[in-house]
Amino acid sequence: GDSVTQMEGPVTLSEEAFLTINCTYTATGYPSLFWYVQYPGEGLQLLLKATKADDKGSNKGFEATYRKETTSFHLEKGSVQVSDSAVYFCALRSGGSYIPTFGRGTSLIVHP
Amino acid sequence: DAGVIQSPRHEVTEMGQEVTLRCKPISGHDYLFWYRQTMMRGLELLIYFNNNVPIDDSGMPEDRFSAKMPNASFSTLKIQPSEPRDSAVYFCASSQDSSNYGYTFGSGTRLTVV
Repeated sequence: GDSVTQMEGPVTLSEEAFLTINCTYTATGYPSLFWYVQYPGEGLQLLLKATKADDKGSNKGFEATYRKETTSFHLEKGSVQVSDSAVYFCALRSGGSYIPTFGRGTSLIVHP
Repeated sequence: DAGVIQSPRHEVTEMGQEVTLRCKPISGHDYLFWYRQTMMRGLELLIYFNNNVPIDDSGMPEDRFSAKMPNASFSTLKIQPSEPRDSAVYFCASSQDSSNYGYTFGSGTRLTVV
């Protein structure tokens, strides 16, 4: 079945540091890939997405590229801010199924 | 659009009581999902509906849990009787009918059963 593996957290960074959160997946067919962000006390919000190989999703300074050859969708940001502190979820949705598969989430803590 | 609306935001109840959580999805979204989030188990899919019809309820923990979607704009998740281990944040999410669309989540209901 489909699965998503994220790096264990928490990831702790200083403000303006470079961020990478790794995500790899296994899926049947050609899934769409997503990153969601969950701020404290809130629901998940869609951050970015990519629907086919080599697509790059981007939003709010975050980027992720759909790498079919390595089955990866790593999240990156060049300079993090304290306000980026949240939990980040990688997810996929296969064309053959409308049930999304989420990773376990990676907590990001950014210090001033 | 106001997004996915859940109520109540917080619910504290005594063990054995009935609890009803409510969700209003985004208009035009064909799919509605109920999730439960805990520190131990992360995000768990409980049940999902397509065009108001329950499609997969295999994630519902036990018979104490039930969900309905009487129309396209309203869904409920009921726990009867509630137990302390049901304490969690319950999210409702909705989506359009395509694998290319992401989900829109509500703000969740934090349930505490004492």
